[in-house]
Amino acid sequence: GEDVEQSLFLSVREGDSSVINCTYTDSSSTYLYWYKQEPGAGLQLLTYIFSNMDMKQDQRLTVLLNKKDKHLSLRIADTQTGDSAIYFCAESTSGTYKYIFGTGTRLKVLA
Amino acid sequence: NAGVTQTPKFQVLKTGQSMTLQCAQDMNHEYMSWYRQDPGMGLRLIHYSVGAGITDQGEVPNGYNVSRSTTEDFPLRLLSAAPSQTSVYFCASSSTWGSEAFFGQGTRLTVV
Repeated sequence: GEDVEQSLFLSVREGDSSVINCTYTDSSSTYLYWYKQEPGAGLQLLTYIFSNMDMKQDQRLTVLLNKKDKHLSLRIADTQTGDSAIYFCAESTSGTYKYIFGTGTRLKVLA
Repeated sequence: NAGVTQTPKFQVLKTGQSMTLQCAQDMNHEYMSWYRQDPGMGLRLIHYSVGAGITDQGEVPNGYNVSRSTTEDFPLRLLSAAPSQTSVYFCASSSTWGSEAFFGQGTRLTVV
């Protein structure tokens, strides 16, 4: 079945760039998403990319998609302490009405 | 805008008890779903619905029931709670396939 994998932890210093990686198995994935979860809260959509795109930039966020390797990454430029959270990669496939989430990467930003 | 509202926020149950987790959305979304979040396992889909009267099983449906009598509400029932159901439960809704999923604040359930 479909699977989405992420590393569990990432620690960076304030002002550095963060890169969070994700791999997925479903080659028919149509949308790929990045969600952010702050402590005690639900998930909020950060950005998404359609599968026919290679890159999407939105202010400090850059999403890269390597469809051949089924690899998705989220780069956060100039990481701030407020970026400390869990980041989830997710995918959905046309017509399935399902979102498959990864395990989440806990980002810790050190002042 | 209320968005997706889940109640209760916290609940402690004894093994064998039953309860219903409530989820309501005011965005007229067709698609609603329930997930559980466990450490190191991400979010796993329990049940989902693509419209009133239509539900289907997700990845981990055992021990849970759902119904969708209205567009707005999608309750999750635990039939006989077990310690393995200790988790944080999230309800989500979206307008169409592939569109942004809006999440509730979660229900932290402990089964003792």
